[in-house]
Amino acid sequence: GAVVSQHPSRVICKSGTSVKIECRSLDFQATTMFWYRQFPKQSLMLMATSNEGSKATYEQGVEKDKFLINHASLTLSTLTVTSAHPEDSSFYICSARLGGYSYEQYFGPGTRLTVT
Amino acid sequence: QKEVEQNSGPLSVPEGAIASLNCTYSDRVSQSFFWYRQYSGKSPELIMSIYSNGDKEDGRFTAQLNKASQYVSLLIRDSQPSDSATYLCAVIRGGGYQKVTFGTGTKLQVIP
Repeated sequence: GAVVSQHPSRVICKSGTSVKIECRSLDFQATTMFWYRQFPKQSLMLMATSNEGSKATYEQGVEKDKFLINHASLTLSTLTVTSAHPEDSSFYICSARLGGYSYEQYFGPGTRLTVT
Repeated sequence: QKEVEQNSGPLSVPEGAIASLNCTYSDRVSQSFFWYRQYSGKSPELIMSIYSNGDKEDGRFTAQLNKASQYVSLLIRDSQPSDSATYLCAVIRGGGYQKVTFGTGTKLQVIP
């Protein structure tokens, strides 16, 4: 149980274009999902917390107009990187929380974004 | 002071030995603690969660929590080369506060 999928696993796009990444909880309903970014040899950096049906909460320094998050259902959250630039190239990982009294988070496999 | 601190390593242990990974945290009201394993180029995988003082065992893994000293550790018995990865310590304040704070991770190398 507690499987989280992400799509696509890898994407290459040109500078200035937008990219959408999907995160799905396959066998549970996730009221809360999280989006992280990880640069090579660095730790996870939380970008935003996404609650179903409400606006995402962004961490300090993360541009909400650049990284659009939508959590329209209990099993799906999307991250759209708008007007991507080479410095946005990174490993983007979502996680989902089981909810209730459980604080355990389960991670998706990640999406490697390369902006050329 | 970092909120969650780990020794970056690498920690090298011979195959079959016990690997001991340590983590300290600064927020005294933290309630939930997790260990994740991350292979290079992959996303983190949850190994253990611990909420109460003491030990919690799951197979070859034992998590230890000491809230008074604000540390949590992970022991890996009979270490295998496949255990070679970066281990992330994660802490949640709890009480409805959902943000997870991750340590920077300890790289473990198990030498065959």
